[in-house]
Amino acid sequence: DQQVKQNSPSLSVQEGRISILNCDYTNSMFDYFLWYKKYPAEGPTFLISISSIKDKNEDGRFTVFLNKSAKHLSLHIVPSQPGDSAVYFCAAGYTGTASKLTFGTGTRLQVTL
Amino acid sequence: GAVVSQHPSWVICKSGTSVKIECRSLDFQATTMFWYRQFPKQSLMLMATSNEGSKATYEQGVEKDKFLINHASLTLSTLTVTSAHPEDSSFYICSAVGQAKDTQYFGPGTRLTVL
Repeated sequence: DQQVKQNSPSLSVQEGRISILNCDYTNSMFDYFLWYKKYPAEGPTFLISISSIKDKNEDGRFTVFLNKSAKHLSLHIVPSQPGDSAVYFCAAGYTGTASKLTFGTGTRLQVTL
Repeated sequence: GAVVSQHPSWVICKSGTSVKIECRSLDFQATTMFWYRQFPKQSLMLMATSNEGSKATYEQGVEKDKFLINHASLTLSTLTVTSAHPEDSSFYICSAVGQAKDTQYFGPGTRLTVL
């Protein structure tokens, strides 16, 4: 049972435009969400997180939106840059502990020139 | 800050041998570390949770006698794949919980190939 889903396995965006990556979850007990970026043959790099008490968190070019009623979160990258090309994983867990994160299947973002 | 290293970055071994992978938190103390494996084009699958000074907690379906985990200090956890077989070939990634306990920081991963 995939509790965290990223339904788009890949996404292609032109440089300078906005990239929107989506993530859905089924477990309503999750209250802490993270996005990671991963290059091939490397470990994931933490990007940004959001607690369920918020509906938006922004860090530079990266903004995460959380819609609790829809059990949906999204990562917006604007403007997109070629170096953003990677696989992006969303993860869900519980506030106060980073244990037992459940990861989505990932979305491969390709930023084209 | 929050740097996690893994050694080796890649290893090739013969079937039947054992391989040890080290995971270190370089600039923070990690009471908890996690071991994942990732197959091509798939998500990260949690194998086990490693707590300093206590036995690891394994996820369902993970053979604890095959994947030995030792968390000897607050900065080091090791994963030993015993009697490795070709089906154990995978990308193994560790992570450590930072001091704020709200984020897992990942190592760069270890590519294991068993011939």
